[in-house]
Amino acid sequence: EAQVTQNPRYLITVTGKKLTVTCSQNMNHEYMSWYRQDPGLGLRQIYYSMNVEVTDKGDVPEGYKVSRKEKRNFPLILESPSPNQTSLYFCASSPRTGTQETQYFGPGTRLLVL
Amino acid sequence: AQSVAQPEDQVNVAEGNPLTVKCTYSVSGNPYLFWYVQYPNRGLQFLLKYITGDNLVKGSYGFEAEFNKSQTSFHLKKPSALVSDSALYFCAVRPSNSGGYQKVTFGIGTKLQVIP
Repeated sequence: EAQVTQNPRYLITVTGKKLTVTCSQNMNHEYMSWYRQDPGLGLRQIYYSMNVEVTDKGDVPEGYKVSRKEKRNFPLILESPSPNQTSLYFCASSPRTGTQETQYFGPGTRLLVL
Repeated sequence: AQSVAQPEDQVNVAEGNPLTVKCTYSVSGNPYLFWYVQYPNRGLQFLLKYITGDNLVKGSYGFEAEFNKSQTSFHLKKPSALVSDSALYFCAVRPSNSGGYQKVTFGIGTKLQVIP
């Protein structure tokens, strides 16, 4: 089944404890992206990647890192999480980076930072 | 800067009645417009998009949307609402300019509640 998977789906952690949220797609998509969803703010883009080894900042990159060593994987790293990073996170992918492309979203990761 | 406005936090409609979820946008040049739906505890799913051509776009689950360039709007509609349509709906815009990466901007979402 074609899909975007994220792990973990739920995570409770403490301030400062490094964590990684994994994202993987099995559709050979070039483009991948991370968003956070907060009430009243909608979806905001954190980072995106147009292909392997090509990543760039979105609207809210502070406090996050990403890497794209393989086409299928695009992990989101929080080196030192803080409570303001408590949010619902979505990974998305699309076949190419063209602006017409539909994005396919993962199921989401709900993160609570204490 | 590009932007998307979804003026209603929540829309309530009786089952069987027509529904409209509003979206207006601002973008440089011509837009590509998208609607996504998010069911509880799920990721966003694509509903429909406007790229070019006919202003009335038909999508999944009986939804359609009308692109109105003069009003910079892209309202989502359905002739007869179902309880199962209850979800959070997001409008998104991207400029159609070619060359390089073009950012996509999402609205804040509209919660649709269909009342039995």
